[in-house]
Amino acid sequence: EPEVTQTPSHQVTQMGQEVILRCVPISNHLYFYWYRQILGQKVEFLVSFYNNEISEKSEIFDDQFSVERPDGSNFTLKIRSTKLEDSAMYFCASNPTEMNTEAFFGQGTRLTVV
Amino acid sequence: RKEVEQDPGPFNVPEGATVAFNCTYSNSASQSFFWYRQDCRKEPKLLMSVYSSGNEDGRFTAQLNRASQYISLLIRDSKLSDSATYLCVVNMNYGGSQGNLIFGKGTKLSVKP
Repeated sequence: EPEVTQTPSHQVTQMGQEVILRCVPISNHLYFYWYRQILGQKVEFLVSFYNNEISEKSEIFDDQFSVERPDGSNFTLKIRSTKLEDSAMYFCASNPTEMNTEAFFGQGTRLTVV
Repeated sequence: RKEVEQDPGPFNVPEGATVAFNCTYSNSASQSFFWYRQDCRKEPKLLMSVYSSGNEDGRFTAQLNRASQYISLLIRDSKLSDSATYLCVVNMNYGGSQGNLIFGKGTKLSVKP
């Protein structure tokens, strides 16, 4: 069964450092998303990406964040200068079409900023 | 104002019990509705979509009341493996929106032997 894969599973970084989280969406999917979940809190939408550009972003997704699809398979989330409050589980998701709104989630990257 | 609200839980029930989860959403423009399941420190996984007519999948029944902006999930004959957090999720999916998912905080279910 095809799945969304994320690497690494756990990333520890020092405050102020840049971090890149990687995702390989399901191959025939067209819509890509990043969500985050701070420990004990709800899953929150960060950004959606379609046709090589951001289609929607939340208030959380400020100038410190960026996304890229550098090739045909990877979808990355970059945090330029990490803060302690960026510590969270980051989930990548994809779905094939807008109308099919079932999103398939990757297993997540746990980011710990120290 | 919270967009998606759920019973806070936790729900501790014996095996075989019937348990019901409720959820309300604030935005009447919401278009699609789901129940996701999340195991501890894992990704959310779709349990079932929720349709206006109500729908059933084995032991699970979901209901939607658009007028009241209310969604429910009923689990019959609960199993130990049903222990998880159940997330109520809505999708705007209108106009130019790609339809990002809006999650509730979840209700934790613990099924005991």
